[in-house]
Order: sequence, then C-alpha cells, then structure tokens
Amino acid sequence: QLQLQESGPGLVKPSQTLSLTCTVSGGPRISIDNYWGWIRQPPGKGLEWVGSVHGNTYWSSFEGRVTVSVDTTKNHFSLQLTSVTAADTAVYYCARHWSGMVGRTWVVGGFDSWGQGTLVTVSS
Amino acid sequence: QLVVTQSPSASASLGASVKLTCTLTSGRTTAAIAWHQQQPGKGPRFLMNVNSDGSHTKADGTPDRFSGSSSGAERYLIISSLQSEDEADYYCQTWGTDIQVFGGGTRLTVL
Repeated sequence: QLQLQESGPGLVKPSQTLSLTCTVSGGPRISIDNYWGWIRQPPGKGLEWVGSVHGNTYWSSFEGRVTVSVDTTKNHFSLQLTSVTAADTAVYYCARHWSGMVGRTWVVGGFDSWGQGTLVTVSS
Repeated sequence: QLVVTQSPSASASLGASVKLTCTLTSGRTTAAIAWHQQQPGKGPRFLMNVNSDGSHTKADGTPDRFSGSSSGAERYLIISSLQSEDEADYYCQTWGTDIQVFGGGTRLTVL
C-alpha cells in the first residue's frame, strides 16, 4: 500500500522559506510520469490546494511563492513556500493525484492517496 | 471561476442514511469530483470519485455503505447504516486545467 510521509521543520520564522519533503514508499519507485501535490489546512479551517508537480513542471495558485519539485533518485518530492507569514501556519499534507485515460483524454484528477500531515507554525 | 459548494453541516441518526451534496459552478455539469473523509484529529482519506453520469470508483477500503451519485451540477455522497465512526468532515474536490479546488467541507454529526 502506498505510503506518503511529510517531513521538515515545524517552526519557520516570518519572511523565511518553508521547505517540506514527502517521501513515498510501499509502491513502485516514483517516476516523472507521476503527479503529486501539496495541500494545507490552517487550524480549524478547510483544505486548500497549494501546488502540484509532474516531472519538471509544477503549477500552483500561490502567485510565484511556491515551487514543487520531484527527486526520483530519492523517491520524494518537495515543497518550497517563500516569504511566509503567520497566515501560512497550517498542517501541510502531501498527496498523489489520480491520473488516467478517460475516453480519449488523459485526465489528472483529484488526490487518491494522502500523507498524515505535518504542522508548520510561522512565528518569530 | 471554479468553485464547489458544500453545506457546512449535516446530521443523521445512528443506523440511518444521509446524503451529502457538492454543487459545482454553473456550467460544469460534466465535471467529476472526489470525496474525502477527515475524521477528528486525523488526515484526510480519499473515499471515491464520482462522475457526471453518477458512476463512482471507490478507494480500496471504502465500505460498501458509501456510494456516490450525480444530478446536473450536483454530486452526492450517500452513507447508509450510519455508524459512529462516520462522524467526520467530508470534503469534495474538483479539478480543471492547472487547478485543484476543494469545497469548504460538511461536518457530519451522527446522533
């Protein structure tokens, strides 16, 4: 069974860069064909998509603050979020996208496997 | 703009059935969604995908009591024979080109 595990500092100072890694185990080695993502959940609030990656391409709605990358040699993918503020305090989850053919179209869907999450607090 | 809307809360009695609704932005009646369950103090767990035709694909381990259906721009999660462990937050998720969107979640209380 596929397992994903987030790791990284639990405390980051304002204006600094938040860096997290998601190690994947229990399945085939990750490849550039896979799609992976990051989601966060501020305390007491709902889920918010942060960004996703496929090979050397990543996409995010965070307007230039987010970088997501994959290291197939280490079987992990990573998130970097720059210029953090207290509003970035959240539990961060990594996850795998479902992807496959629907009719004649390749579709990248939602998340079908999640990590357990890691709390990152932004505070001086 | 891609938006999915959920009612903030729902409740039903132990052993009864409940139907949770996820409403897609108007015009996106052909979109598929995913349902996720988040039990108190835990991370989310993928339950199933629901397509516009009502077909659904469940994750391994999702109990048979859980099913999905569709009508127009609405996607449903139906839970029958409610058990205490079904008390949780339920999130729907949809996607487009280079974007993923979550609904605000529905907190289900089992009475």
